[in-house]
Amino acid sequence: KAGVTQTPRYLIKTRGQQVTLSCSPISGHRSVSWYQQTPGQGLQFLFEYFSETQRNKGNFPGRFSGRQFSNSRSEMNVSTLELGDSALYLCASSLVSGSYEQYFGPGTRLTVT
Amino acid sequence: AQKVTQAQTEISVVEKEDVTLDCVYETRDTTYYLFWYKQPPSGELVFLIRRNSFDEQNEISGRYSWNFQKSTSSFNFTITASQVVDSAVYFCALSEGTDSWGKLQFGAGTQVVVTP
Repeated sequence: KAGVTQTPRYLIKTRGQQVTLSCSPISGHRSVSWYQQTPGQGLQFLFEYFSETQRNKGNFPGRFSGRQFSNSRSEMNVSTLELGDSALYLCASSLVSGSYEQYFGPGTRLTVT
Repeated sequence: AQKVTQAQTEISVVEKEDVTLDCVYETRDTTYYLFWYKQPPSGELVFLIRRNSFDEQNEISGRYSWNFQKSTSSFNFTITASQVVDSAVYFCALSEGTDSWGKLQFGAGTQVVVTP
């Protein structure tokens, strides 16, 4: 079974631009969560989607948004990029929304200059 | 407030030594889940184990073992006879609250360095 895939793997953007990251969950998984990982803040939860609905949201500004499609694929968008948005963005999928273990993708390394 | 504390920033051992990683969590919920993940240099988080709050049985999987103690709010992880391939950052995580199961709260991680 293929794992969680994320595209692109690396991205360089300029301050003020916007970016869209994509995540394809493991086949059959319906829940997708997004996390931001930085050296200073560690791993922080961004949001979770299940059946195209956002179920949980972390403490991030409104510039961070996401959505989930009917095939469970998910995208996250960051508008008006700031230098502090440079991070590894990790997507995780699980069978259903709940206490099931989450399986992570390789991440998208975003650099904002 | 930090919900999951991993006090050890880095642990260095020589191959074949045992290493124990500490994890202390904080929650008011009676039902919660605890996880351990491994992040090798490649960056991808690898799921290791999930425990629910009602199951305090220790678990062993090969060279890995976990000790869950609700009385001390700890969920410690031991690697027996460490190998170079065990070098990675290990994260402990908590999932709590009926409406927040999909939200994992991670500790800061412990870097394990195993030298030959």
